Amino acid sequence: SQKIEQNSEALNIQEGKTATLTCNYTNYSPAYLQWYRQDPGRGPVFLLLIRENEKEKRKERLKVTFDTTLKQSLFHITASQPADSATYLCALGSSARQLTFGSGTQLTVLP
Amino acid sequence: DADVTQTPRNRITKTGKRIMLECSQTKGHDRMYWYRQDPGLGLRLIYYSFDVKDINKGEISDGYSVSRQAQAKFSLSLESAIPNQTALYFCAVGLAEGTDTQYFGPGTRLTVL
Repeated sequence: SQKIEQNSEALNIQEGKTATLTCNYTNYSPAYLQWYRQDPGRGPVFLLLIRENEKEKRKERLKVTFDTTLKQSLFHITASQPADSATYLCALGSSARQLTFGSGTQLTVLP
Repeated sequence: DADVTQTPRNRITKTGKRIMLECSQTKGHDRMYWYRQDPGLGLRLIYYSFDVKDINKGEISDGYSVSRQAQAKFSLSLESAIPNQTALYFCAVGLAEGTDTQYFGPGTRLTVL
């Protein structure tokens, strides 16, 4: 069955550094991959989408890469700030399957 | 962004009780979803609906039922609640645009004693 793994449950980095979160998947050929942000006690919020034929997407300080050969997406937050502290979820989808979410990585940016 | 509301926001109930969680949205999105979130397991899809006459089971539908009363309303019912249904429940809505981008409600924290 399909499996989605996000790197370690928690990641701590220093303010101003680049945070890199990983999403790996197996037994799946997604047509697109999405990243969401979730704050404690709130619903996830959509951040970025990248399609299978795209290598990289950027939005302000966010950058997402998608390598269908490695079956991996990397999510980067540059010049990180304490306000970026949250849990980040990756989600995979295609026309044949509903969106499937990873369990998330909790990011803490230390001042 | 879709305006998605969920009621109640918190609920404590006892084993065997029937519970209904309600979701409504004001943006006219066609697709509506119910998920549950448990620590370490992420979001798991319970049911989804692409329009009023379309209801589909998700990954973990056993013990749950849904009703799409209107385009804007999608309710989740637990006919006879059990303790392992204690979780955070999210409703989400999305456009039929092909990439399934979803907009989530604030969640309902359900505790079954």
